Amino acid sequence: DFVMTQSPDSLAVSLGERATISCKSSQSVLYSSNNQNYLAWYQHKPGQPPKLLIYWASTRESGVPDRFSGSGSGTDFTLTISSLQAEDVAVYYCQQFYTNPPWTFGQGTRVEIK
Amino acid sequence: QVHLVQSGAEVENPGASVRVSCKASGYTFISYVLYWVRQAPGQRLEWMGWISAGSGNTKYSQKFQDRVTIIRDTSASTVYMELSNLRSEDTAVYYCARGRLGTTGLFDLWGQGTLVTVSS
Repeated sequence: DFVMTQSPDSLAVSLGERATISCKSSQSVLYSSNNQNYLAWYQHKPGQPPKLLIYWASTRESGVPDRFSGSGSGTDFTLTISSLQAEDVAVYYCQQFYTNPPWTFGQGTRVEIK
Repeated sequence: QVHLVQSGAEVENPGASVRVSCKASGYTFISYVLYWVRQAPGQRLEWMGWISAGSGNTKYSQKFQDRVTIIRDTSASTVYMELSNLRSEDTAVYYCARGRLGTTGLFDLWGQGTLVTVSS
């Protein structure tokens, strides 16, 4: 199975500052036939269901603010919140959806306000 | 509006079974795949299985293969997940999630979650 490892486990960022989360996959999630990275990011706020933020490593889901961006390829990925807002306090998960299941998630990164 | 609404919290004894429902609204139910994902306390999200709402075909994670059954009722736009032979480690929040059309394993809409507590 693919093992997804996020870092850090938690971070505290001042309002308006940048937050950066790393996600590393134990195997490449880059599918050579279409040059797509099968990597998604979800936001999970307390008491709410997870929300899809980014897929194909860098494509924002409809309605997601452009302060959220994803980058990376192969095994190393990054989620960046360019200017942290109070409503961004949540746990963020990366997930690989490369070919066959099981599809696996990172352990999560908790983002808080400093 | 597009929604997945799950049934309420359950408390079960070890060895029992639990059934959680997930009712879809606001979109064409039979066009999508529905997945079940759970999160035990302090653990990461874990995929359990999926069902094609149109065909009824299913696939289960090897970890749950012997204990999980997922079915759907197209007339009610509802998917059900039953987990049998419950143990304390099955205490978790169980989510249904809709799959993005044309992309397996990508979850674009989630239910609110159902807490299942296994305790004697």
